[in-house]
Amino acid sequence: DAGVTQSPTHLIKTRGQQVTLRCSPISGHKSVSWYQQVLGQGPQFIFQYYEKEERGRGNFPDRFSARQFPNYSSELNVNALLLGDSALYLCASSWGQREKLFFGSGTQLSVL
Amino acid sequence: GENVEQHPSTLSVQEGDSAVIKCTYSDSASNYFPWYKQELGKRPQLIIDIRSNVGEKKDQRIAVTLNKTAKHFSLHITETQPEDSAVYFCAASIRAGGTSYGKLTFGQGTILTVHP
Repeated sequence: DAGVTQSPTHLIKTRGQQVTLRCSPISGHKSVSWYQQVLGQGPQFIFQYYEKEERGRGNFPDRFSARQFPNYSSELNVNALLLGDSALYLCASSWGQREKLFFGSGTQLSVL
Repeated sequence: GENVEQHPSTLSVQEGDSAVIKCTYSDSASNYFPWYKQELGKRPQLIIDIRSNVGEKKDQRIAVTLNKTAKHFSLHITETQPEDSAVYFCAASIRAGGTSYGKLTFGQGTILTVHP
């Protein structure tokens, strides 16, 4: 029974570059959410997608964008990377009618 | 928007003791309150959750209580074991109707250390 899978696990980028993070939800789950977790803090909500439509957006700049594909997988894109974007990016999925969020192991992004 | 405050930031107990972590939330519309356990370098794992129509929920050594009037909820771990050592996060959310919304507002986390 596969959980939420994310790729890559680690990524090193330099300032100004662009990055794409990928997430595959638990089979049958139609909702995907993205969170940013800075070391020592709780996760911060970035986006939520349900049935391929954006349903929620957190307080992040327009450099952050996402999309959900017909198979319910998702990508998070971050343009013009800043040092402050260094964090663990977590993807979580849930079934449309259920309320429990299940997280992936995350992508650790380091911006140098 | 919703704001969740979590206390204490660190908690150290002896094996077998109980541990209590408390959270307060600001938005009275919040009606779903999960708790996550995150071990170093691992994913947050849902350990228990409670909805606003319930005052208490138990699962073996773990329990959560909710006081909607005071807008606070707590995690209780009894008979703690070294493997309970981790960071614990509370969260709050507004769940509207039959649609699943993914937005959780998390507390700052509590580092729990259980000494053998």
